Amino acid sequence: AQKITQTQPGMFVQEKEAVTLDCTYDTSDQSYGLFWYKQPSSGEMIFLIYQGSYDEQNATEGRYSLNFQKARKSANLVISASQLGDSAMYFCAMREDYDRGSTLGRLYFGRGTQLTVWP
Amino acid sequence: DAGVIQSPRHEVTEMGQEVTLRCKPISGHDYLFWYRQTMMRGLELLIYFNNNVPIDDSGMPEDRFSAKMPNASFSTLKIQPSEPRDSAVYFCASSLLRTGGENTEAFFGQGTRLTVV
Repeated sequence: AQKITQTQPGMFVQEKEAVTLDCTYDTSDQSYGLFWYKQPSSGEMIFLIYQGSYDEQNATEGRYSLNFQKARKSANLVISASQLGDSAMYFCAMREDYDRGSTLGRLYFGRGTQLTVWP
Repeated sequence: DAGVIQSPRHEVTEMGQEVTLRCKPISGHDYLFWYRQTMMRGLELLIYFNNNVPIDDSGMPEDRFSAKMPNASFSTLKIQPSEPRDSAVYFCASSLLRTGGENTEAFFGQGTRLTVV
C-alpha cells in the first residue's frame, strides 16, 4: 500500500496566486512527521516545511504553510503569492516514529507534483 | 557544516563496469539514506543505515547493488556489474532522529547522475 499519495502529477498557477498541493498519507502510528521538499530543475532536494503529528497548529514557513487534517490523513502544502521561482517538483514525505525494527527513521516519499508558475 | 557531500556528481560508465558512489553525511547525523530517482519509478529508497548499521535494504534491486557504511562519516553504494537500466540520479541523505516532535528533516546531497552506456 502507498504510504504517501500525491494525486496531482502537475499543477499550474499564475504568479502571485496561491496554490495547494495535495498529499494524503497512510499510517496506523500515532507519532509521525510529515515533510515537504522542493526539487527545482537543477535537481537538488530542498526541505521546505515539517509538521509533527502532535502539533496542534498548522506549520508555516514564510510563504509555505501545511494544511494538516489529521482525521483525514492529509497534509496539503499551500504556497501563497506564487513566484516564478516556485516552479519545481514538490514531494510530500512521512516518517513514522514507532519502532518496528526496520522502519524507524525511514522516510516515505510520494511521486511528486510538478508545479508550473506562469506570469 | 558543508551539508551532505556526494561524489562524483556525474558518472558515465560502460555496461559491465563497477561503479562506486560515495557519500559523506552531516556530522552528528545518525541516519543515512540512499535513494534512486528515475522518471518511471520516482524516488525509491534503496537502503538506510542507523549508526552505521544497515536497517532496511529491501529496496536494493538486485545482488549487483551493495552498500556499506564503515564509519559515521562515510558510505558507499556499489553497483557491480552495472547495466543501462541502472541509469538514474542517486541521492544520499542524512538525518538526526529525535522523538518528541523535534524537527528532523533529512538533508540531501546534490546527487550523482549515473549513466550506463
